[in-house]
Amino acid sequence: QSALTQPASVSGSPGQSITISCSGTSSDVGGYKNNYFSWYQQHPGKAPRLIIYEVTNRPSGISSRFSGSKSGNTASLTISGLQPEDEADYYCGSYTDSGTRVFGGGTKLTVL
Amino acid sequence: QVQLQESGPGLVKPSETLSLTCTVSGGSVNSGGFYWTWIRQTPGKGLEWIGYVYFTGGTNYNPSFKSRVTISVDTSKNQFSLNLKFVTAADTAVYFCAREPRSSARHDYWGQGTLVTVSS
Repeated sequence: QSALTQPASVSGSPGQSITISCSGTSSDVGGYKNNYFSWYQQHPGKAPRLIIYEVTNRPSGISSRFSGSKSGNTASLTISGLQPEDEADYYCGSYTDSGTRVFGGGTKLTVL
Repeated sequence: QVQLQESGPGLVKPSETLSLTCTVSGGSVNSGGFYWTWIRQTPGKGLEWIGYVYFTGGTNYNPSFKSRVTISVDTSKNQFSLNLKFVTAADTAVYFCAREPRSSARHDYWGQGTLVTVSS
């Protein structure tokens, strides 16, 4: 199975909004369980942290500045009101129609 | 609060078997509501899903690992384990254990990760 496709890096200034894309296929991101899609934030040396699940839902304690969406085989994570602590790596993850799970290659967010 | 903690050797020789254990606290691996998962991250690279075990012992593996991997559960110790055979330098990675609620494909709790280096 191939990893989902994310841009290697994105950047933005404090207060701005940025969007990270995650592209897959009709067998994963656009598959029949197409709401089984998540986003994770990872700071250096730390474990990933779930920030979005089932495309648009935020776990308890996650800022409303983080939002998710999906159309067809491509999903997006938007971070509004960018803050210095948002600088991290971001990964998408999806269910696949073969019943396995697949992640994206990760996107490094730099807050300028 | 659920906590997961990986343990095992940090150095494994090529062609040998990598063995890691994940100890769960604040929750039970005997719960039917979760899949207990292994994920790895190679240096400077992304996340790679290895597979999961259910409390019944049922498993689901990434086809890329299928011939080399075994994930098992020990409900008496509230642990689950990863065995990866015939390792090479390409298996050098940080290995994470994680919990996945059924019917979601999300990973809501993660261990801190443990670095395993494959080298002679």
